[in-house]
Amino acid sequence: AQSVTQLGSHVSVSEGALVLLRCNYSSSVPPYLFWYVQYPNQGLQLLLKYTSAATLVKGINGFEAEFKKSETSFHLTKPSAHMSDAAEYFCAVSAGYQKVTFGTGTKLQVIP
Amino acid sequence: NAGVTQTPKFRVLKTGQSMTLLCAQDMNHEYMYWYRQDPGMGLRLIHYSVGEGTTAKGEVPDGYNVSRLKKQNFLLGLESAAPSQTSVYFCASSYPWQGRNTEAFFGQGTRLTVV
Repeated sequence: AQSVTQLGSHVSVSEGALVLLRCNYSSSVPPYLFWYVQYPNQGLQLLLKYTSAATLVKGINGFEAEFKKSETSFHLTKPSAHMSDAAEYFCAVSAGYQKVTFGTGTKLQVIP
Repeated sequence: NAGVTQTPKFRVLKTGQSMTLLCAQDMNHEYMYWYRQDPGMGLRLIHYSVGEGTTAKGEVPDGYNVSRLKKQNFLLGLESAAPSQTSVYFCASSYPWQGRNTEAFFGQGTRLTVV
């Protein structure tokens, strides 16, 4: 079985501040992990993915995430928030030939 | 490449009407999915398919049916629409790699309102 928990349905940060969105996963086998972003009235697009290579993964728009097996975490970070980062972010896990399981999402608000 | 294309983009139905949502992908992906997205509930899997001619139930399959007669198409049907099916529907596709399912590619969504 696999599952994903995103801590915090809403996160607010000031423009220029650190962005930290939390994701913890559960998986019976080594997983692949993903972060997606959804802008208003759009579909989801992939930000970055972990596929068992480097544990620190860099994605688009300056985001990165670190796979920590001991903590079963895959938190998303960005050093300096920009107004254009305001969106909803989804963490997802894939373990074996199963469907990809998504978290419930975190809405990021960036305050000018 | 167009990626994943959903039609229609918007639809209003009356309770009890039926409709079919079409999803088409041009990436030769094995897996295809239908999700619904409701405020505060994230993405919930309705049905999915791991290959042409195969379908399986997801978390919330009741009231929906699917078919995958061709590898590139995945159809979602509502036989008798209910207001509880008002939602945004997303189709996605993915492919297996090194023993796992890879990232999903999403369509732009279909906003369905049932009145």
